[in-house]
Amino acid sequence: KQEVTQIPAALSVPEGENLVLNCSFTDSAIYNLQWFRQDPGKGLTSLLLIQSSQREQTSGRLNASLDKSSGRSTLYIAASQPGDSATYLCAPRNYGGSQGNLIFGKGTKLSVKP
Amino acid sequence: GAGVSQTPSNKVTEKGKYVELRCDPISGHTALYWYRQSLGQGPEFLIYFQGTGAADDSGLPNDRFFAVRPEGSVSTLKIQRTERGDSAMYLCASSLDGPRTLRFGPGTRLTVL
Repeated sequence: KQEVTQIPAALSVPEGENLVLNCSFTDSAIYNLQWFRQDPGKGLTSLLLIQSSQREQTSGRLNASLDKSSGRSTLYIAASQPGDSATYLCAPRNYGGSQGNLIFGKGTKLSVKP
Repeated sequence: GAGVSQTPSNKVTEKGKYVELRCDPISGHTALYWYRQSLGQGPEFLIYFQGTGAADDSGLPNDRFFAVRPEGSVSTLKIQRTERGDSAMYLCASSLDGPRTLRFGPGTRLTVL
């Protein structure tokens, strides 16, 4: 059974810092992996999707990497801003799982202080 | 509409009662998903519809949970004989062409007393 762990559980940084959020998963037979952000009282927003054949994906100040063989993904946020404050969730999709059958971690709660 | 909407936003019920949670996806989105999120946890997959049919219902925890999407648009998640452990945020999402375009609604917070 796929298990997803996100470290740290919470992180507080001053504005402007670069930071890395970590995601590890136990079953490396994944089809892809997505990173989401969740704002209080709102649903999730998809940030990046990395296919299993890819090593990284970039969108603006966000860069996600994937090392499938070691069961790890990282989300790098450059020049953090207070608006980045949210909970960040990673979710791999196993081979054989449907496109909606994502396995979510518990998330990393990020607070960026002005 | 502009986004995925879910009603009600909050639902409080008593143990043993029946509840229905509604999801209105983005117009034209053929895929619809239900997830459940307990406090301090990540979302847990329940069911995925492609059009009117359930393409994957492997996440439904037991036969008290059922979902329909009769016309391929609005979906209703139905929970019979609610239990306190069913208390959670129920999230709905829709997409046009797969997970890359996944859009989530704000959720329905269900509390079973």
